[in-house]
Amino acid sequence: AQKITQTQPGMFVQEKEAVTLDCTYDTSDPSYGLFWYKQPSSGEMIFLIYQGSYDQQNATEGRYSLNFQKARKSANLVISASQLGDSAMYFCAMREGRVERSNYKLTFGKGTLLTVNP
Amino acid sequence: GAGVSQSPRYKVAKRGQDVALRCDPISGHVSLFWYQQALGQGPEFLTYFQNEAQLDKSGLPSDRFFAERPEGSVSTLKIQRTQQEDSAVYLCASSFLTGGPGNTIYFGEGSWLTVV
Repeated sequence: AQKITQTQPGMFVQEKEAVTLDCTYDTSDPSYGLFWYKQPSSGEMIFLIYQGSYDQQNATEGRYSLNFQKARKSANLVISASQLGDSAMYFCAMREGRVERSNYKLTFGKGTLLTVNP
Repeated sequence: GAGVSQSPRYKVAKRGQDVALRCDPISGHVSLFWYQQALGQGPEFLTYFQNEAQLDKSGLPSDRFFAERPEGSVSTLKIQRTQQEDSAVYLCASSFLTGGPGNTIYFGEGSWLTVV
C-alpha cells in the first residue's frame, strides 16, 4: 500500500485565491511527522511546513497551513492568497517513528503540480 | 554557503561510464541523505550518513551505487557502469540532529543525470 497518497496530479488556482492540496498517509506507528515541500522547476526541494503526530494544533507558516485530520489520516496543505510564484510541484512526505530515535527516512508522495493563473 | 550545494548540476554520461556526484551540506549538519527522483515521481531514499558513518544504505538500487562521506562533511555518490535506468535527479539533503519537533531536512537543487 502507498504510504503517502496525493490524488491530484495537477491543480489550477486563480491568483489571490486559496487552494487546498490533498495528502493522505498510511502508518501504524503512533509517532510520525508530516512534511510539505515545494519543488520549483529549478529542482530544489523547499521545506514549507511540518506537523507532528502529537501536535494538538494545526501547523501554520505564513500563507501555508496544514489541515491535519488524524483520524482520517489526512494532512492537506492550504495555501492562502496564491501568488504566481507558488506555481510548482508540491510534495507531501512522512517520517515514521520518534524524532529522538533519529528516524530519518522521508517517504514522499508523487506530488501535485500547482499552476497559479493571473 | 547557506544551503546544500550539489555539483555538477547537470551530467550527461554515456552508458557504461562512471559518474561521481558531490554534495556539500549545510555547515554543522550532522545528517546527510541522498535521494533519487525519477521523472514525474517523488524522491526515493537511497542512503543516510550520520557524520562519517553510513548508517543506512538500504535504498541503493544496486552494487553499482556507492556513497561516502569520509570526513563527515562533503559526500560523494558514485555510480559505476551507468545504465539508462540511472537517469534521474539525485538530491542531497542535510539536517541538524537536535531532536527538535521538525528536525527539518534541507535539500539541494539536485544533480540531473542523463545516461545516453
